[in-house]
Amino acid sequence: DQQVKQNSPSLSVQEGRISILNCDYTNSMFDYFLWYKKYPAEGPTFLISISSIKDKNEDGRFTVFLNKSAKHLSLHIVPSQPGDSAVYFCAPHTGGFKTIFGAGTRLFVKA
Amino acid sequence: ETGVTQTPRHLVMGMTNKKSLKCEQHLGHNAMYWYKQSAKKPLELMFVYNFKEQTENNSVPSRFSPECPNSSHLFLHLHTLQPEDSALYLCASSQGILNYGYTFGSGTRLTVV
Repeated sequence: DQQVKQNSPSLSVQEGRISILNCDYTNSMFDYFLWYKKYPAEGPTFLISISSIKDKNEDGRFTVFLNKSAKHLSLHIVPSQPGDSAVYFCAPHTGGFKTIFGAGTRLFVKA
Repeated sequence: ETGVTQTPRHLVMGMTNKKSLKCEQHLGHNAMYWYKQSAKKPLELMFVYNFKEQTENNSVPSRFSPECPNSSHLFLHLHTLQPEDSALYLCASSQGILNYGYTFGSGTRLTVV
């Protein structure tokens, strides 16, 4: 039972353009949504989050949008930079200490 | 050293061996986690400790045995593992329930032969 789906295993974007990473979920009880970034041979690092009571959160080049009715969130990176090339995980939080991770989307930013 | 440190980085063990993974954090966090990442699968939560007390065991087989002697240290004791247990084991910490962002270690790449 996959509660979190990142349907695009990979995404390739030209430097300077916008990267849009998508995430769909099924559990309406998720109260917080996080995005993590992971480079090879390193653990994931927390990137940005959004509360379920908001529909947008922005932090520099990174913006997360939440559409609760569609159970969909997206991460926008603009402008994309080669250093953004990594695997991005969508990670909703269910309360308590439980965070569920999606399978990840590998982003390639071409110079 | 700052952040979350995991040792060893790589481990190869036989199915009859007993080994332990170690995780240490110097961030003052009170919650610590073990996650497993198998090839082409999402990260799977294994165990959660809050103030040294186990609060979550996500139906993990008993051949994996966690230990949390204090809020800064977390161990995962391994015995009689199977080849399908080969994976990246990640430790994370957080400042309790009110801060949802986790700090992860670099992981231990485990191979069971």
